[in-house]
Amino acid sequence: DIQMTQSPSTLSASVGDRVTITCRASQSISSWLAWYQQKPGKAPKLLIYKESSLQSGVPSRFSGSGSGTEFTLTISSLQPDDFATYYCQQYNTYSGTFGQGTKVEIK
Amino acid sequence: QVQLQESGPGLVKPSETLSLTCSVSGGSISTYYWSWIRQPPGKGLEWIGYIYYSGSTNYNPSLKSRITISVDTSKNQFSLKLNSVTAADTAVYYCARKRDFCSGGTCYPIGHFDFWGQGILVTVST
Repeated sequence: DIQMTQSPSTLSASVGDRVTITCRASQSISSWLAWYQQKPGKAPKLLIYKESSLQSGVPSRFSGSGSGTEFTLTISSLQPDDFATYYCQQYNTYSGTFGQGTKVEIK
Repeated sequence: QVQLQESGPGLVKPSETLSLTCSVSGGSISTYYWSWIRQPPGKGLEWIGYIYYSGSTNYNPSLKSRITISVDTSKNQFSLKLNSVTAADTAVYYCARKRDFCSGGTCYPIGHFDFWGQGILVTVST
């Protein structure tokens, strides 16, 4: 099974900060990576798919990059609505493994 | 806009079978793949399995021996059965649409989850 490791587990930041979250795969997954945002009590929301494609309706301050085994999610200017937990997910295999999550907290 | 809604009992006794249904509206279930994902309280997301409208399935190996996912195209619904449950199966269960990847006229279940249900908390307890 492909393992996904996110870092950091928790991130403290202020409104307006540039935030970067990293996701590493235990083997190459090409560009088959998605990012999700989850707020307490809510279902995850798709932000990015195929490593860098922005889902319709998602603000352009979110971007994704990387390939192979290392990927990043960047929020260019953190907004109050962005404080949440973020998950990466690989779908290189027919299954889909998630990272353990990164919680973005208010500094 | 595709919408998904989970339904089923919120409480299941240990050793019994958890049964959930996901109703799909705003689109036909006879396209794409349809998945179940769960999240234990305070923890991360775990993919359970998916089904195609034709009935072909793929399950998480760690749960495979206890899972059955089925589809009812006439009702635009798909279902999850997880048997021999324990407290470790207590979680919020989500249904989601899984996109596919098509190349050369063939489509593969390689895709992200673009639409999700709101989730249903299932507690395993006496």
